[in-house]
Amino acid sequence: SAVISQKPSRDICQRGTSLTIQCQVDSQVTMMFWYRQQPGQSLTLIATANQGSEATYESGFVIDKFPISRPNLTFSTLTVSNMSPEDSSIYLCSVGGGGVDTDTQYFGPGTRLTVL
Amino acid sequence: QKEVEQNSGPLSVPEGAIASLNCTYSDRGSQSFFWYRQYSGKSPELIMFIYSNGDKEDGRFTAQLNKASQYVSLLIRDSQPSDSATYLCAVNMGSSASKIIFGSGTRLSIRP
Repeated sequence: SAVISQKPSRDICQRGTSLTIQCQVDSQVTMMFWYRQQPGQSLTLIATANQGSEATYESGFVIDKFPISRPNLTFSTLTVSNMSPEDSSIYLCSVGGGGVDTDTQYFGPGTRLTVL
Repeated sequence: QKEVEQNSGPLSVPEGAIASLNCTYSDRGSQSFFWYRQYSGKSPELIMFIYSNGDKEDGRFTAQLNKASQYVSLLIRDSQPSDSATYLCAVNMGSSASKIIFGSGTRLSIRP
């Protein structure tokens, strides 16, 4: 499976500011996804990052709040904009669409965000 | 609303016994099913995937799928304390093969 890295691994931010999270993969992948995992909860898909076009957002998530870039097949960013304490969460990128297991997704280490 | 349901636990199993984790899903069009293990403070790690009805074995892990009943299960044989984690069931959305929905997870505790 691909090696996935995320930066930063954690951050503490003030409300009203924005944070951009980077996801880097060591090989080209078709699909990249961004998830949120709030404390004690399961994973919620924020959006699918599409290379060369706008991201596809899930219900309840909007581009103004979570702008996403995907400039190539190995890199994506997620920005959490105008943060509030409710945005405190772990943000995870995942990759998939490769090889035989086209539906299988592998996760990066996550970014733990705390908003004060 | 397409859903994946799991018992949140905690499920406590003695060391050496078989741990049985269950999951049901609502989308009959789903074709791919996954089990992830998540240790506290870590990201999910894929441990099994299954596409066809029946059993699939990998070491101490066996995934079982019954599409007619819309359930998938994970058996862990010879449970070890290192198996203590949250296990997430995930199912692809039939209408969009690449997207998967996660259950809320079952917390498993292996007692020595």
